[in-house]
Amino acid sequence: EVQLVESGGGLVQPGGSLRLSCAASGFTFSSYWMSWVRQAPGKGLEWVANIKQDGSEKNYVDSVKGRFTISRDNAKNSLYLQMNSLRAEDTAMYYCTRFSRGSLSNYWGQGTLVIVSS
Amino acid sequence: DVVMTQSPLSLPVTLGQPASISCRSSQSLVYSDENTYLIWFQQRPGQSPRRLIYEVSNRDSGVPDRFSGSGSGSDFTLKISRVEAEDVGVYYCMQGTHWPWTFGQGTKVEIK
Repeated sequence: EVQLVESGGGLVQPGGSLRLSCAASGFTFSSYWMSWVRQAPGKGLEWVANIKQDGSEKNYVDSVKGRFTISRDNAKNSLYLQMNSLRAEDTAMYYCTRFSRGSLSNYWGQGTLVIVSS
Repeated sequence: DVVMTQSPLSLPVTLGQPASISCRSSQSLVYSDENTYLIWFQQRPGQSPRRLIYEVSNRDSGVPDRFSGSGSGSDFTLKISRVEAEDVGVYYCMQGTHWPWTFGQGTKVEIK
């Protein structure tokens, strides 16, 4: 059974940092692109970043470029999101997802909540 | 960025009746490989998103056949042939053709 379990969320002050983790199991992690998607409270979905199987290609939405870094450790079956210089507008549920634009099955974690507030 | 515009944003439906959601993109979603990466998600209350439809009209495994997707270019539709109680939630279209991938605002489906 495929599982994606996020952790690392919490309350942080503006300007602070957090590192989110996503533990993957039930599939060959190193064979798939992985992504982070976020959802502000009561709002819609926003794609944050994605990373290629070997980490050689990464894409970010403009609003997080230069502040967030997506990475992965295929030996540990884990995906990460390092978030620096956090702003109030980064407050959201952050989902880890094994997303495919095509026919491969999609899986989403339950999310981890990040609150940026003083 | 590609803007995805859904309508309506709220959709009250009677059980057993059909429902239809429109999604329009600000640019064509035909990719260089000739695929059109228009995806529909369902998000039930308190749950993570779930992909229903990929590449405009292909249902994901386990998705009931009352859900169907259609359209081309920049104009797309999700239809539910007969709404059931478990269909309550927010439906999002999403384009995976142009980075950054972008979502529509969401359409809230509720039972009248």
